[in-house]
Formats: sequence, structure tokens, C-alpha cells
Amino acid sequence: EADIYQTPRYLVIGTGKKITLECSQTMGHDKMYWYQQDPGMELHLIHYSYGVNSTEKGDLSSESTVSRIRTEHFPLTLESARPSHTSQYLCASSTRDITDTQYFGPGTRLTVL
Amino acid sequence: QKEVEQDPGPLSVPEGAIVSLNCTYSNSAFQYFMWYRQYSRKGPELLMYTYSSGNKEDGRFTAQVDKSSKYISLFIRDSQPSDSATYLCAMRARTNTGNQFYFGTGTSLTVIP
Repeated sequence: EADIYQTPRYLVIGTGKKITLECSQTMGHDKMYWYQQDPGMELHLIHYSYGVNSTEKGDLSSESTVSRIRTEHFPLTLESARPSHTSQYLCASSTRDITDTQYFGPGTRLTVL
Repeated sequence: QKEVEQDPGPLSVPEGAIVSLNCTYSNSAFQYFMWYRQYSRKGPELLMYTYSSGNKEDGRFTAQVDKSSKYISLFIRDSQPSDSATYLCAMRARTNTGNQFYFGTGTSLTVIP
């Protein structure tokens, strides 16, 4: 069973605030990902990391930033939240085996007023 | 054209019915195929993954891949109300920069007691 955690689960915040969404995994996975999920839409990859000090932007343009200082921790930061950032944010990590299967956290539902 | 097409539903079936969920894809480079189940306000949970064409069975779930037709299916036998969720198909292709994942938009399933 995957052990990947996200906090907070729900966040309602005003425009212009700086926020950090936390993601931690206890499986020792090198690869971690952040996705954005909106109703009726496919998951969009916004950031990924293949290991400590490695971060890349994904397919979907995002104003967020990420860091990977420790293997188990992959926080996502929005410097100035806007209503367009309202979405579900999913963190995932993947196995080292050939399948590279991704396991997801429970998600953070962000609402920016 | 999207890389992965999935009928969003919603699909509503009586308890005990056989459910068929499907995805089509256009990229012949896809190698691994996955099905995720996502309950409301939760993250996706991996149900099954398959590599080659053919069937893979796990309890009441059967994943089927037809690479020649670029078509994958998930069958649920003896469906239960607890199967009510959104089901996401996902596919993985190997690229020069590593593995790339593509997700369907999800099919919403309700199993009526």
C-alpha cells in the first residue's frame, strides 16, 4: 500500500496570499510528481522530480514552484494565489521497478477567493 | 486530438451487473496501461496495470489490452455499490527524457443497490 501524504486536504484562501502545499512519501521513491485535476479533465502534470535537487516543469504551464531537498518531501509553492489557481492538486511518487507505477496522495483541494 | 480518449459517462448500473469501461489511444509507443479508481474527494488508487495485449484478472476486475486496435478495457464483474467511483485509464510511453504518462478524463460509475 502506498504511503503518500498531502497537507492540507482543503484550503480556502484569499487572492495574493503565498501558499505551500505539502507532499511527503515514506516509500523511498526517487520520482515525485505534482498534477492538477479539474472536473471532467485529464490530469495535467505541472512539476516532476527524479531525485534530490532535480525539478522540472511539466506539460501544463504553472505559476507554481517546487523544491526537492529531501527524497521524501516535495512541496509546491504559489507565491501569489489567484482564483485561476482554484483546483485539486495531486501529488504522486513512482516505483523504481520497470513499471514506474505512480501512487497518488489524497489531494489538496484549493479554493482561491 | 487527445492522446487518450475516455467516455466520461456517467454510467449507472444495478448491483451485480457487469461493467465495461473503455479507453482508446493514438500513440503506438504506449507500453504500460493502468487503471485507477478515484473516490470522491480522494486521490486515484491504482487498480491494475498491464504490459502486453491480452487479459489480466484480479478478483472481480479484468483488464484487457488490444494493442492492434489501440483499445483498453476494464471489466468489473458482480458490481457492488462500493465500486461507485470515477475510473481513470492511464498509459505510459518511453521517451528520450524518460517515461511519460497520459491519463484519460475518467468515467464516473454509480452502482445502484
